[in-house]
Amino acid sequence: ETGVTQTPRHLVMGMTNKKSLKCEQHLGHNAMYWYKQSAKKPLELMFVYSLEERVENNSVPSRFSPECPNSSHLFLHLHTLQPEDSALYLCASSQDFTSTDTQYFGPGTRLTVL
Amino acid sequence: GDSVTQMEGPVTLSEEAFLTINCTYTATGYPSLFWYVQYPGEGLQLLLKATKADDKGSNKGFEATYRKETTSFHLEKGSVQVSDSAVYFCALNPNTNAGKSTFGDGTTLTVKP
Repeated sequence: ETGVTQTPRHLVMGMTNKKSLKCEQHLGHNAMYWYKQSAKKPLELMFVYSLEERVENNSVPSRFSPECPNSSHLFLHLHTLQPEDSALYLCASSQDFTSTDTQYFGPGTRLTVL
Repeated sequence: GDSVTQMEGPVTLSEEAFLTINCTYTATGYPSLFWYVQYPGEGLQLLLKATKADDKGSNKGFEATYRKETTSFHLEKGSVQVSDSAVYFCALNPNTNAGKSTFGDGTTLTVKP
């Protein structure tokens, strides 16, 4: 595997379910990100980790819980979601946490909440 | 706070037409500027970037110049192809760190044969 991979690619869940999204980067990067991409809305940065420490949390509801066990893996744990949480969730990584760093994105998980 | 404003889409062009997608930004200091492209069913990928004023980023025939005086980073291509059909995002990273990346709304480009 190369680049940034995300699993599953598609997920349908009910509002009472608990599920997790997984992201893995094979680039040796030190920073990882979760974004939410909804139709007709700008890309929303949710969480940022640098060297496995959370450095940014943009007022995301507590029903989204991130976990970064090491610099290659990032999870997004989901519970009691709402239908408005349906979106494409993108993971990204960058070499470091500096202004000039390019972010490398995975293909995303398409989440539908029923 | 920082902001990025992109030309509204969708944009529809014929093959070999000239493309411009406007992008202006508001930020303190000297941010780094990026254009990302998203093809259907995929994540975003870097198209080009510029990290200081007057730098020109270029890739695959696309170009954009970092204009500090007009706070702009317009994307151009002289002759588009059907395969360029995608959504294009202008983005900035503030000069302090990448943790507060700001993206534009995206511009959908469709190129017809």
